[in-house]
Amino acid sequence: EAGVAQSPRYKIIEKRQSVAFWCNPISGHATLYWYQQILGQGPKLLIQFQNNGVVDDSQLPKDRFSAERLKGVDSTLKIQPAKLEDSAVYLCASSLVSINGNTIYFGEGSWLTVV
Amino acid sequence: AQSVTQLGSHVSVSEGALVLLRCNYSSSVPPYLFWYVQYPNQGLQLLLKYTSAATLVKGINGFEAEFKKSETSFHLTKPSAHMSDAAEYFCAVSGGNQGGKLIFGQGTELSVKP
Repeated sequence: EAGVAQSPRYKIIEKRQSVAFWCNPISGHATLYWYQQILGQGPKLLIQFQNNGVVDDSQLPKDRFSAERLKGVDSTLKIQPAKLEDSAVYLCASSLVSINGNTIYFGEGSWLTVV
Repeated sequence: AQSVTQLGSHVSVSEGALVLLRCNYSSSVPPYLFWYVQYPNQGLQLLLKYTSAATLVKGINGFEAEFKKSETSFHLTKPSAHMSDAAEYFCAVSGGNQGGKLIFGQGTELSVKP
């Protein structure tokens, strides 16, 4: 079974530029998550989708971050304009449904460096 | 609100020694608890999870963890460390109205000395 796919794996941009990350979850998984992992810290949830609807985006910096999952399958996370503090790994994850205790599967991450 | 605290940002053990990584949680509802491992330049891989069945949970690669409600702990152990166990380990919690999402601790980096 294919895992969670993410691209690009690595990206270096200058501050104030824009960047987009793509994620394709495990087939059949209704729930998709985007986490931000800053070096030396644990992952922090940015946004959670259930099919094509947003379940939780309370920690998404909406002035610069946006995410969509238009057809309820793959998803795109965009940052515009980027700041130095956005340098992090952006982890996409998926699970069958949004139920506590359900296993969440993670992709390998998209590593962003803002210079 | 739920939270997780991992005691010790870095743990170093000798190969063959006991591995003990500490995790304490805070939750007003029965928690679901997870341990994930992250190898360099990779995503997170599930080691094991507690979902209110047996309090002693066995996972992959010889790891296990015990849920202790009285101590609000979910420590991860392995009897004998291997060099390949060197990685970052994250404890996480979900439950209540979290809608399935995980709240992570800050992580513990495990080093294994030959």
